[in-house]
Amino acid sequence: EVQLLESGGGLVQPGGSLRLSCAASGLTFGSSAMNWVRQAPGKGLEWVSLISGDGGRTYYADSVKGRFTISSDNAKNTLYLQMNSLRAEDTAVYYCAKGNGRHALHIWGQGTMVTVSA
Amino acid sequence: QSALTQPASVSGSPGQSITISCTGTSSDIGSYNLVSWYQQPPGKAPKLMIYEVSKWPSGVSNRFSGSKSGNTASLTISGLQAEDEADYYCFSYARSTTWVFGGGTKLTVL
Repeated sequence: EVQLLESGGGLVQPGGSLRLSCAASGLTFGSSAMNWVRQAPGKGLEWVSLISGDGGRTYYADSVKGRFTISSDNAKNTLYLQMNSLRAEDTAVYYCAKGNGRHALHIWGQGTMVTVSA
Repeated sequence: QSALTQPASVSGSPGQSITISCTGTSSDIGSYNLVSWYQQPPGKAPKLMIYEVSKWPSGVSNRFSGSKSGNTASLTISGLQAEDEADYYCFSYARSTTWVFGGGTKLTVL
């Protein structure tokens, strides 16, 4: 079964750090780009970051640039998102999503909740 | 990276057709045929319904169709069913290697 499973979410204070993981199973991890997408409570989806299939290229939304770092370990079939200098507005469910090679997000995980609060 | 513009809500009765619009700019929808649409039921993860403006992923009903004209993309759902009730989001590649979602549209089946 094709599956993406996020972990690492939780409660963190403003200014703190957190690392999210996304473990893939049943699919070829490095075959296409991987993304992080977030959704604040009661709000819409926001694209956060993308890493190419070979891990050589990374891209970020302006809202997280300089604070978040996306990376992947193709040998472990795992995607990461290192989040530093967290702010209250980073509070959201974070989804990992696999691209289909055509700029669409084909497979999604169930999400992990990140809460930034004192 | 401004969000694409979608109506906040649409509604329809079972069996009817509805269309959800997604308006962008010449920097995103207007320049690329790379619009996709996602269905998100309450409390669940999004699901890809349409990609590259009008293509269906495997397993998606052909009651869902997509189109584009200028800077506006559209998702049409025909033969509306109760199970179609969900939030719908458009998504597009934009210049400067970024991607942007629409604000989302809540579909209510009356």
